[in-house]
Amino acid sequence: EVQLLESGGGLVQPGGSLRLSCAASGFTFSIYAMSWVRQAPGKGLEWVSAISGIATGGTTYYADSVKGRFAISRDNSKHTLYLQMNSLRAEDTAVYYCAKRGSGSPSGFDFWGQGTVVIVSS
Amino acid sequence: DIQMTQSPSTLSASVGDRVTITCRASQSISSWLAWYQQKPGKAPKFLIYKASSLESGVPSRFSGSGSETEFTLTISSLQADDFATYYCQQYHSFPYTFGQGTKLEIK
Repeated sequence: EVQLLESGGGLVQPGGSLRLSCAASGFTFSIYAMSWVRQAPGKGLEWVSAISGIATGGTTYYADSVKGRFAISRDNSKHTLYLQMNSLRAEDTAVYYCAKRGSGSPSGFDFWGQGTVVIVSS
Repeated sequence: DIQMTQSPSTLSASVGDRVTITCRASQSISSWLAWYQQKPGKAPKFLIYKASSLESGVPSRFSGSGSETEFTLTISSLQADDFATYYCQQYHSFPYTFGQGTKLEIK
């Protein structure tokens, strides 16, 4: 059974940093592209960042809204996805989901974690 | 960036109704489109990929169609469990983008 478990969310002041983690199990983590998707309170879904699987060397992609501030990475030996978030702003407040790419390539996201809440406020 | 526009934003319907949600892309995305269902406080659920392929385990009353720039999600006979918010998403190119969502409400 595929499971994705996010952690690391919390309350942080504007300008601060936070690192999110997503522990994966139930599939061959290294071969799948993974993404972070966020949802601000009462708003829709926003794709944040993606990292490709081992076959394509872990190439990274970012939304313009986070480029230069956020960094996605993965540790295939630990089956864990990360999102390092720096220079946080109030508009980064959201539930952050990690999501697994589906079996086709390209594909949508076939499995999602339960989300971790990030609140940026003084 | 590719913009995704859903209509309507809100849809009121009754159990047993047939409903259709439209998603338009600002440029051609071939068939690289997914649909998700989200209920309050929950993560999105994957329904359809490649515009019309039903994800395993998704009821057959859900169907998708379209290509290039215009797509639809149809629920043939609404069940009580289907009242939720639905999102389309393009994965033709980065940055991936979602539609703004369609909230399906009970009439």
